Amino acid sequence: GAGVSQSPSNKVTEKGKDVELRCDPISGHTALYWYRQSLGQGLEFLIYFQGNSAPDKSGLPSDRFSAERTGGSVSTLTIQRTQQEDSAVYLCASSLGGGHTDTQYFGPGTRLTVL
Amino acid sequence: AQKVTQAQTEISVVEKEDVTLDCVYETRDTTYYLFWYKQPPSGELVFLIRRNSFDEQNEISGRYSWNFQKSTSSFNFTITASQVVDSAVYFCALSERGNYGGSQGNLIFGKGTKLSVKP
Repeated sequence: GAGVSQSPSNKVTEKGKDVELRCDPISGHTALYWYRQSLGQGLEFLIYFQGNSAPDKSGLPSDRFSAERTGGSVSTLTIQRTQQEDSAVYLCASSLGGGHTDTQYFGPGTRLTVL
Repeated sequence: AQKVTQAQTEISVVEKEDVTLDCVYETRDTTYYLFWYKQPPSGELVFLIRRNSFDEQNEISGRYSWNFQKSTSSFNFTITASQVVDSAVYFCALSERGNYGGSQGNLIFGKGTKLSVKP
């Protein structure tokens, strides 16, 4: 079946602009995660959605970052007033049930470049 | 302190050589999972294996094998008879149960090991 999809694959924006990144999880997966991969910091957890529960936002680096998940499926990560340090690859993953036992499957990522 | 350490930043081998990628983890949980992912030049993270903390059996899948040793907190990955297509960055990751059993399961990644296999 189809894997995790993300759009756009690349995004170039100017400092101070807002951006939205989209993730479509694997059909039937209830858990969705966002990670960020940057040269300096490696792979970092950002936020976690599980079903209809309140999201775990403990990994978000600042209040400029937010995310929502509509209808328990598609998720959008929004970065407001982008800064150059936001440049990174943003990866989305989904798992069947969530929690520490499940395998997460990753999408191809969105490469964000802030000029 | 890093919870997952991959001390080898880069490894270069010639095709058909065996290569072992090291992973050392740190956790106070008694229940946890360990993972390996492959990230080829295309960028997508590809799941390779999941191992829970109660299962120390080594695993073999084709040319890939994994050695899990709780005594040394290590979960090493060996590629036998490496091929050019094995060239990628390999990540080891940890998922902890958490204090209250309700861990969200976010993965804690090592910094990755870049493997280059030359023909």
